[in-house]
Amino acid sequence: ETGVTQSPTHLIKTRGQQVTLRCSSQSGHNTVSWYQQALGQGPQFIFQYYREEENGRGNFPPRFSGLQFPNYSSELNVNALELDDSALYLCASSLDRGSEQYFGPGTRLTVT
Amino acid sequence: GESVGLHLPTLSVQEGDNSIINCAYSNSASDYFIWYKQESGKGPQFIIDIRSNMDKRQGQRVTVLLNKTVKHLSLQIAATQPGDSAVYFCAENMGSQGNLIFGKGTKLSVKP
Repeated sequence: ETGVTQSPTHLIKTRGQQVTLRCSSQSGHNTVSWYQQALGQGPQFIFQYYREEENGRGNFPPRFSGLQFPNYSSELNVNALELDDSALYLCASSLDRGSEQYFGPGTRLTVT
Repeated sequence: GESVGLHLPTLSVQEGDNSIINCAYSNSASDYFIWYKQESGKGPQFIIDIRSNMDKRQGQRVTVLLNKTVKHLSLQIAATQPGDSAVYFCAENMGSQGNLIFGKGTKLSVKP
């Protein structure tokens, strides 16, 4: 059974650019959650997708958007990148909403 | 406000000793708590969870204690090993929305 995978592993972008991060959920999981983890901090909830629909959103501006596909993989898009967006972006999948979440290794985004 | 935090940012123990990592939460309505282990360069890994209708749960070498009266959670690791060195987070699961609220983490260092 393949676990949660994320791509790319690392990414460097310039302020003002746009970025797309990708996540493949674990087999059989229909729910994907995205988190932002700044250096030395705990992960912060961005949003969750359940069966292709957004199912909850944290305190992040609209320039953070997402998508979930019919195969339950997901994308996180961030527009107009700011320096403070530099962080580790984690994706977690779960069997259902509220079920145990399995995290991927994350994508390290650096904004210069 | 709603928050999950940790009392100690760092903890250093001798190999073979028991470790105790503490966590305070502020949302008395929370009903599900999880402990995660995060090693350098990796995503959080599920260790153990507990629901609010329990006050203790045991796993392999780990025990989680929940004190709802003082809104306190602890993780006990028996016979701590070098492989236990990591950052440990407690997280609060917010019901059907499934978003996790993480504390800042405690870094556990195991001395040989």
